[in-house]
Amino acid sequence: GNSVTQMEGPVTLSEEAFLTINCTYTATGYPSLFWYVQYPGEGLQLLLKATKADDKGSNKGFEATYRKETTSFHLEKGSVQVSDSAVYFCALKGNYGQNFVFGPGTRLSVLP
Amino acid sequence: DAGVIQSPRHEVTEMGQEVTLRCKPISGHNSLFWYRQTMMRGLELLIYFNNNVPIDDSGMPEDRFSAKMPNASFSTLKIQPSEPRDSAVYFCASSEVTYEQYFGPGTRLTVT
Repeated sequence: GNSVTQMEGPVTLSEEAFLTINCTYTATGYPSLFWYVQYPGEGLQLLLKATKADDKGSNKGFEATYRKETTSFHLEKGSVQVSDSAVYFCALKGNYGQNFVFGPGTRLSVLP
Repeated sequence: DAGVIQSPRHEVTEMGQEVTLRCKPISGHNSLFWYRQTMMRGLELLIYFNNNVPIDDSGMPEDRFSAKMPNASFSTLKIQPSEPRDSAVYFCASSEVTYEQYFGPGTRLTVT
């Protein structure tokens, strides 16, 4: 079945550091890929998405490119802020039915 | 748009009591999902509905859990009887058939 693997956390960075959170997937067909963010005490919010190979999703300075050849969708940000501290979830939605799969989440802490 | 609405936001109950969690999806969305989130197990899909019909309830932990969706604008998740290991944050999410999920703020359940 479909699955998502994320790098283990927690990730701790200093403010203005470069961020990469790795995400790889296994899926049949051509899934859509998503990054969700969960701030403390809140529900998950969609951060960005990509629906086909080579698409780049971007939002709030975050970017991720759908790489079919490496089955990856790594999240990047050039300069993180303290306010980016949250848990980040990679997810995919398969072509068939509501096959939405979330990764385990990666906790990011950004220190001033 | 009011987003997905969940109630109550917090629930504290004693072991053995019945607990009912409520969800109002975004108007026009025809899919609804119930998730449970704990530190130990992460985010788990419990059940999802399409056009008010339960499609996959394989994530429901046991017979003490039940979910209903009597109409397109309301769903409940019931636990009877509740146990301390049911303590978690329960999220409801909704989506249109082929699009991303939108999450509610969650209900934090504590069973003592």
